[in-house]
Amino acid sequence: EIVMTQSPATLSVSPGERATLSCRASQSVSSNLAWYQQKPGQAPRLLIYGASTRATGIPARFSGSGSGTEFTLTISSLQSEDFAVYYCQQYNNWPSLTFGGGTKVEIK
Amino acid sequence: QVQLVQSGSELKKPGASVKVSCKASGYTFTSYAMNWVRQAPGQGLEWMGWINTNTGNPTYAQGFTGRFVFSLDTSVSTAYLQISSLKAEDTAVYYCAREVEYCSSTSCHYHLFDYWGQGTLVTVSS
Repeated sequence: EIVMTQSPATLSVSPGERATLSCRASQSVSSNLAWYQQKPGQAPRLLIYGASTRATGIPARFSGSGSGTEFTLTISSLQSEDFAVYYCQQYNNWPSLTFGGGTKVEIK
Repeated sequence: QVQLVQSGSELKKPGASVKVSCKASGYTFTSYAMNWVRQAPGQGLEWMGWINTNTGNPTYAQGFTGRFVFSLDTSVSTAYLQISSLKAEDTAVYYCAREVEYCSSTSCHYHLFDYWGQGTLVTVSS
């Protein structure tokens, strides 16, 4: 099983600032990496797939990069609605899908 | 519009069974696989497996074999998750999620989840 490790566990950021979240895979997942956002009491929402392609309707302030084992999600200027938990997910090792442990982005 | 509506919260005793439903609307149910994802209280997301909505064939992730059963009723566009011999550690929110693929001119990406149910909290307590 591919283990996905996210860091940091919690990120404190002021509104308007940039947030950078990391995700590391225990072995290469190529570019088969997605990011999801989850707000309290809500289901996750797909943000990014293919490591860097925004899903439909996702604002341009969200960007993803990386390949192989190292990935980054960047939120260029945090809005109030962006404070949430973010999960990476690899889908390279089908039929095994794994999520990272999540990074909580909180208001500083 | 696409919607996945799950059944309500459940409180069960250890050893009992529970069946969670996920009713789809706004799209052709058999055109997309359905996945199940577990989230224990305060924890992350854990993929449980998927069911082929054309054939009804389920696939279970490691750790979700034996007590977990995925099923369908295509006549009412509904997927089900049944858990038997419930344990306290089964306490979690269970989500159904529609699986989608996205293709560009150069590559395709599979096993992504574009629509999710609202989640069903299953609490196992004596």
